[in-house]
Amino acid sequence: GAVVSQHPSWVICKSGTSVKIECRSLDFQATTMFWYRQFPKQSLMLMATSNEGSKATYEQGVEKDKFLINHASLTLSTLTVTSAHPEDSSFYICSTGQGAYNEQFFGPGTRLTVL
Amino acid sequence: AQSVTQLGSHVSVSEGALVLLRCNYSSSVPPYLFWYVQYPNQGLQLLLKYTSAATLVKGINGFEAEFKKSETSFHLTKPSAHMSDAAEYFCAVSVGNDMRFGAGTRLTVKP
Repeated sequence: GAVVSQHPSWVICKSGTSVKIECRSLDFQATTMFWYRQFPKQSLMLMATSNEGSKATYEQGVEKDKFLINHASLTLSTLTVTSAHPEDSSFYICSTGQGAYNEQFFGPGTRLTVL
Repeated sequence: AQSVTQLGSHVSVSEGALVLLRCNYSSSVPPYLFWYVQYPNQGLQLLLKYTSAATLVKGINGFEAEFKKSETSFHLTKPSAHMSDAAEYFCAVSVGNDMRFGAGTRLTVKP
């Protein structure tokens, strides 16, 4: 399967600051990437679909202006949490949808803690 | 829209015992089905996938799953649990790029 990396693996920030999370596909060109959010002991919640060279598609209830997604190249998508608050603390996971049967390959995740 | 339901948020087995994790799906079109495993503070790793080629699917780490259309099920099994199998398991269904996950089942393996 595809290899996906995320950076950083964990980040702690103060309330009101912005945090950028990078998602990279290491061994193929990804036209589509997905961003998920996972709360403790819960399932993954799709936040948005990132499309290379175009605007991301956000799921209902996800604030576009708060969670900025940029997919400027076929190997990199970024998620920026703007003006982060403690309720944004979560585990953020990216994935690609390049499998032949639409399987997704996931990055290792980024744990964000907002103080 | 498609969806999956995982029965049992927590399953506990003894080492060496059979593992059975249940998943039922709902889809208006023939689905692709997946099982993923997640270890603490890590992303998801694909265990196996059903793509309609065969109803019994074998995956990594000794796991397998059987697609039963009549029961709309895709249960995950492993004949003998190992301590290293302790993790969170997610069943997922996809139609096109739209993938939906179940709530997850936490597997505990007792020595």
